[in-house]
Amino acid sequence: AQSVAQPEDQVNVAEGNPLTVKCTYSVSGNPYLFWYVQYPNRGLQFLLKYITGDNLVKGSYGFEAEFNKSQTSFHLKKPSALVSDSALYFCAVRDMGGTGGFKTIFGAGTRLFVKA
Amino acid sequence: EAGVAQSPRYKIIEKRQSVAFWCNPISGHATLYWYQQILGQGPKLLIQFQNNGVVDDSQLPKDRFSAERLKGVDSTLKIQPAKLEDSAVYLCASSLDREAHWGTFGSGTRLTVV
Repeated sequence: AQSVAQPEDQVNVAEGNPLTVKCTYSVSGNPYLFWYVQYPNRGLQFLLKYITGDNLVKGSYGFEAEFNKSQTSFHLKKPSALVSDSALYFCAVRDMGGTGGFKTIFGAGTRLFVKA
Repeated sequence: EAGVAQSPRYKIIEKRQSVAFWCNPISGHATLYWYQQILGQGPKLLIQFQNNGVVDDSQLPKDRFSAERLKGVDSTLKIQPAKLEDSAVYLCASSLDREAHWGTFGSGTRLTVV
């Protein structure tokens, strides 16, 4: 079965520094990978996806993610963190659901704190 | 475009009571999902609809949870009777169809069972 792991419960970074939020996955076929962000009392917002193509995927708010097939990783990155980036980040993988429908399997989440 | 609408935003009930949540997806989105997000965990899919038919309800506790999408648009999720462990945020999401790779999420309903 597909699964996704986020090894860090929390990541702390100073504003202006680069940030990385880690994600590893396990899939039986080609991976379809996603990153979502969740702000307090808000729903999940889609950041970016990897389906196929370039290993470096660019998304919303200046975020990007690097797909590494050999390491089965899909780490989220940003060159320069902002205080407003502080939120809960979820990595997700697409899985085949019941009668052929797709469903998304989420990791447990990583809380990002960006200090001014 | 308008987002996914959910109501109520918050609900507090006593255990063994019943509760219902409502979701209005983005217009034209055929696929609708209900997720349960327990504090400190990632969202877990409860049920997925394609139009008004159920595609996947393998993780829905059917002894107490039910959901419907009668006209293929709005959906309701019901819990009867509620247990303490049902305290969570219930998220609704929609996508154009089940081939879509990601969904748009609503803000969720935070349920507290006391």
